[in-house]
Amino acid sequence: QLQLQESGPGVVKPSETLSLTCTVSGGSISSSNYYWGWIRQPPGKGLEWIGNIYYSGSTHYNPSLKSRVTISLDTSKNHFSLKLSSVTAADTAVYYCAKETHLDYWGQGTLVTVSS
Amino acid sequence: QAVVTQEPSLTVSPGGTVTLTCDSSTGPVTSGHYPYWFQQKPGQAPKTLIFDTHIKHSWTPARFSGSLLGGKAALTLSGAQPEDEADYYCFLFYSGARVLGGGTKLTVL
Repeated sequence: QLQLQESGPGVVKPSETLSLTCTVSGGSISSSNYYWGWIRQPPGKGLEWIGNIYYSGSTHYNPSLKSRVTISLDTSKNHFSLKLSSVTAADTAVYYCAKETHLDYWGQGTLVTVSS
Repeated sequence: QAVVTQEPSLTVSPGGTVTLTCDSSTGPVTSGHYPYWFQQKPGQAPKTLIFDTHIKHSWTPARFSGSLLGGKAALTLSGAQPEDEADYYCFLFYSGARVLGGGTKLTVL
């Protein structure tokens, strides 16, 4: 039974970089051919796909965010990470990590507010 | 980038049947888009009900089913229950990228 948990700052200043980590327990992120992904939801709005990373390290990103997004894997710590640069108030959202293959496991989500 | 369109809102009577649809701006939705359907209730993380068009997770109630219908992905709820009132999102694959629909707010009334 996998469990995913997001962690990172709850507040980020405009123009800075948002950094979140998703720690996976109950299984290895590198042992199976799964995709791991990030999805966000601005307050009161719908879900937006951010991007994913394959267990081998290859990535896919939302074209609208691609210039600012980096997703990486750290197999030694069994976690994957999201970096979003040059944030604005529009990046304020609940950020979810998930096992994207079959989307059967999700984190609980973490609210990140962009504010000075 | 493709745009995925869902009905903004639908209402179903308790015990009734409703079909939610998911349309793609690039053409007909096919099994190659591997349609997913999520359910989200207020204050909760989404829960995936259907993946790969019609495959259910172990927790998916039998009253939910997924299909392709008239060039769209479809989620049919047969025998609606009050606890099915929620937002529903579809999720499509496009050769690496993924796109989410805007969501359908389903009211059971």
